[in-house]
Amino acid sequence: EAQVTQNPRYLITVTGKKLTVTCSQNMNHEYMSWYRQDPGLGLRQIYYSMNVEVTDKGDVPEGYKVSRKEKRNFPLILESPSPNQTSLYFCASSKAGGISQPQHFGDGTRLSIL
Amino acid sequence: AQKITQTQPGMFVQEKEAVTLDCTYDTSDQSYGLFWYKQPSSGEMIFLIYQGSYDEQNATEGRYSLNFQKARKSANLVISASQLGDSAMYFCAMREVQRDTDKLIFGTGTRLQVFP
Repeated sequence: EAQVTQNPRYLITVTGKKLTVTCSQNMNHEYMSWYRQDPGLGLRQIYYSMNVEVTDKGDVPEGYKVSRKEKRNFPLILESPSPNQTSLYFCASSKAGGISQPQHFGDGTRLSIL
Repeated sequence: AQKITQTQPGMFVQEKEAVTLDCTYDTSDQSYGLFWYKQPSSGEMIFLIYQGSYDEQNATEGRYSLNFQKARKSANLVISASQLGDSAMYFCAMREVQRDTDKLIFGTGTRLQVFP
């Protein structure tokens, strides 16, 4: 089954404790992206990647890191999480080719930073 | 910059009836694509349907169809024969691709509630 898999689905942790949210897709997609969804602010892009070893900042990259060492994986790293990073996070992927390609989302990761 | 506007915060529809969710957009691009996503209360984001600006026909996908009016810059989602499982948030989105950006721009969403 074609899918984007995020782990964990839920995480409660404390300020300053490094964490990684994994994302993997099995569709051989070139493009991958991370979004966060917050009430009143909607979905905002954190980082995206057009292909292996190519990553770019989105609208809200501060406090996050990403890497794209393999085509299928695009982990999101919070080196020193803070409470304002409490959010619902989505990983998405799509074929290259721009405006006509739908982005397929993972099931989301609910992150609570205490 | 591109913008998506969804003016209906919430909609109610009776089971088996059709419902239209409104979406208007603003872009200066000649070529663009519009997407609709569904987000149930469980939180996942599900791709429903796509309409390209040069598509001659309105997109359809099962019970979902798009009422695309290019001159009015609207791309309304029509759900026919509503089911209880259609209760969810629905987002209209456009993919913005420029030299230094590639992202989805989302509207604020419409919460649809289907009642028996």
